[in-house]
Amino acid sequence: GDSVTQTEGLVTLTEGLPVMLNCTYQTAYSTFLFWYVQHLNEAPKLLLKSSTDNKRTEHQGFHATLHKSSSSFHLQKSSAQLSDSALYYCALSGASSGSWQLIFGSGTQLTVMP
Amino acid sequence: DTTVKQNPRYKLARVGKPVNLICSQTMNHDTMYWYQKKPNQAPKLLLFYYDKILNREADTFEKFQSSRPNNSFCSLYIGSAGLEYSAMYLCASSREEGGAETLYFGSGTRLTVL
Repeated sequence: GDSVTQTEGLVTLTEGLPVMLNCTYQTAYSTFLFWYVQHLNEAPKLLLKSSTDNKRTEHQGFHATLHKSSSSFHLQKSSAQLSDSALYYCALSGASSGSWQLIFGSGTQLTVMP
Repeated sequence: DTTVKQNPRYKLARVGKPVNLICSQTMNHDTMYWYQKKPNQAPKLLLFYYDKILNREADTFEKFQSSRPNNSFCSLYIGSAGLEYSAMYLCASSREEGGAETLYFGSGTRLTVL
């Protein structure tokens, strides 16, 4: 079935430094990739989504570009803020066990230090 | 209002006892989902309702039941809790946006089985 890989479980940065969270995927069908963000004690919320190859998608200071050639959808931000500390999930709209579903990576916990 | 509400926020259960988790949404979304999230693992889809049609994942088919008495409510039922059921349970509903189903999550119910 389809799968999503987030290689970093924990990322710790100093405020003001750039953010890059990795996401690669494997799919036979899907073209939609997502980033969800979950702040402490809150619900996961959609941050970005894209289905267009090589087009930059931006929201709330974050951006990501879907690269189908490398099966990647890395999340970036030029300058980290304390409020960016959260759990970030990359997800794929794909097929697993014969049914359509949103397939998540294991998540990257981003901690931004002062 | 794009809110999905889950009750309770924390749930303590005894091994062998039943557990019932509740989710509601007022967005009139046709599809509602239940995910299980364990530490350092990706959220795992347990089941989803499209309207009144229940779809359960093959590997969790016998472990979880659900009901959806109306469009707004969806429950997750565990008949006999085991230690392995300890996890965060996330409910979500979805609507089609820009060609893809966008999920709206609740804040989750943290279940601890003792």
